[in-house]
Amino acid sequence: QVQLVESGGGVVQPGRSLRLSCAASGFTSSSYAMHWVRQAPGKGLEWVAVIWYDGSNKLYADSVKGRFNISRDNSKNTLYLQMNSLRAEDTAVYYCAGDGSGTNSHYYGMDVWGQGTTVTVFS
Amino acid sequence: SSDLTQPPSLSVSPGQTATITCSGDKLGDEYACWYQQKPGQSPVLVIYQDNRRPSGIPERFSGSNSGNTATLTISGTQAMDEADYYCQTWDSNTRVFGGGTKLTVL
Repeated sequence: QVQLVESGGGVVQPGRSLRLSCAASGFTSSSYAMHWVRQAPGKGLEWVAVIWYDGSNKLYADSVKGRFNISRDNSKNTLYLQMNSLRAEDTAVYYCAGDGSGTNSHYYGMDVWGQGTTVTVFS
Repeated sequence: SSDLTQPPSLSVSPGQTATITCSGDKLGDEYACWYQQKPGQSPVLVIYQDNRRPSGIPERFSGSNSGNTATLTISGTQAMDEADYYCQTWDSNTRVFGGGTKLTVL
């Protein structure tokens, strides 16, 4: 079945780094644009970043630009989020999600979601 | 503007129509999506391209988008529809979410 499984979350001190992974199965993830979306405790959804199906383009929310890097390895059907210079406000559940356009088209919603992995930035 | 405003909460009785709004400057000039999130679960796409339903989403879910307001309508609301609902659109090519609306069915 269609599945996205995130991993790599944990507790980290402010200023440190963490890398999240998202393994896809049951669909052709290499043709999907892939996103990271986060949700702080008790708060709403915040879009974080997107990468085109072939890795040729990446976009970031202003809140993470310059600190986070999204990447993918289509040979491994895996999406990554490298998070550097972490702050307390980065504490959230991080979801990976996919949209079938491959290029973040405005015609498409994010129709495949993982179960999320929790990142806690705590001193 | 990328700011999307939703009412924090809405209560409806079973069988009634729930109307959830999402307001933003010239929102109707862009497409809108809607996501449903039940407690402890991941979001689910229920509407995309303003008014299209993904496969498996019941017909009671519908959407519209014009002017400064996108609307999610749930006709004949059921207890299983109790959830948080988020609108989403684009600011240039980055996606932005509304603050979410907690729908209570009682």
